Order: sequence, then structure tokens, then C-alpha cells
Amino acid sequence: QVQLQQSGTELVKPASSVKISCKASGYTFTSNYMHWIRQQPGNGLEWIGWIYPGNGNTKYNQKFDGKATLTADKSSSTAYMQLSSLTSEDSAVYFCARWPAYWGQGTLVTVSS
Amino acid sequence: DIQMTQSPSFLSASVGDRVTINCKASQNINRYLNWYQQKLGEAPKLLIYNANSLQTGIPSRFSGSGSGTDFTLTISSLQPEDVATYFCLQHNSWPYTFGAGTKLELK
Repeated sequence: QVQLQQSGTELVKPASSVKISCKASGYTFTSNYMHWIRQQPGNGLEWIGWIYPGNGNTKYNQKFDGKATLTADKSSSTAYMQLSSLTSEDSAVYFCARWPAYWGQGTLVTVSS
Repeated sequence: DIQMTQSPSFLSASVGDRVTINCKASQNINRYLNWYQQKLGEAPKLLIYNANSLQTGIPSRFSGSGSGTDFTLTISSLQPEDVATYFCLQHNSWPYTFGAGTKLELK
């Protein structure tokens, strides 16, 4: 069965970076788009972007250009999202998702000094 | 970006009630509209895709309708396990955008 296992909770300092992982299993990793979504406190959901692991192609929501960088490691079937120049506004739960139905459990990122 | 206006924001209903949640898109999105259910501390779960197709494993009391700009999620007979927040999502145009959510509680 399709499973997406995300890395654990992160507590990071302002202006730093963080890299979240999403390990996929149960399907052909290289043949499916991996999407990333942000959920800020109070529910609001935003689509960050996607990566196609087969060729590394990416597409970003313009809002997250320069904030998020998506990569994928075919050898380990793992997708990554790096978030840079973190501020308190980036504190949120981040999900990976294989469109449209399979989601990871979410990774909580808290930005605080 | 396409704006998704979801209503109501909050809904209180009794077991057995028929419940409807609405989503209105700021422009035509054809039938590229999904509905998700999210329980506290969990990832969203896909209920309905492409406006009216029931996702495998989802109870038949859930249904979706609409096209263009106006869409509806209906729960025909509310069950206690349906307490959750429900979101619509348009995937007609990039970036995909969500409604703000409807929090459904038991009366």
C-alpha cells in the first residue's frame, strides 16, 4: 500500500534553514508527482509546489519561490523540501502528498529564537 | 490565483441530519474540484475528486455536485465519525487553492 513517511518535528531559529524528508513506499516513486502543502495554525492550507522525481522537474507556487526548494533522491525513494530564511510566518505543519489521495502524516516546523 | 469561497465556516448538526457545504470559485474551474476531510492532528483525507467522483473506501453518504464555479458536498445522514473540518480544493489552475474550511460539529 502507498505510504509516505515524513521526518519529525523541527524547532529552528529565525533566519535558518530546515530540510524535511518524505520517504515513499508502495508505488513507483519516479512515476508520480510529489506535492508539498503548508498548513498554518488556524487551518489555512496552501499548495507549495511539486516535483516529478523521474526527471527532477519542479513547479512552485510563486508565493514560495525562493522560500522552498524541492528535491528527490531516486535511490531511496525520498522527497525533500528545504525551507530557507525562516521567520515565524513559516511556523506550520508541512505535508507531502502523492496527488491526490495519499498524504504524509505532516511535519511540524516551529520557528522560534 | 483562483479564490475559493467556502461556506459556512462553522456548522452544527445532529446525527442523521443532511448536511451541505458549499464552495464557490472566483472563475470557472470546470469540474476540477476535490473535497477533503481533516480530523484533528491528521492529514486531509480525499472524499470526492473531480466534483462528483467518490474516492474508493469512502462511505456512500458522501456525495459531491457542481461544475463551473459552484460546488456542493453533501452528507446524506450525518454520523458521529463525520465530525471534522472539510476543505474544497481547485486543481484547474496553478497554484491549486483551498477553501478556508468548514468545521462540522455535532449538535
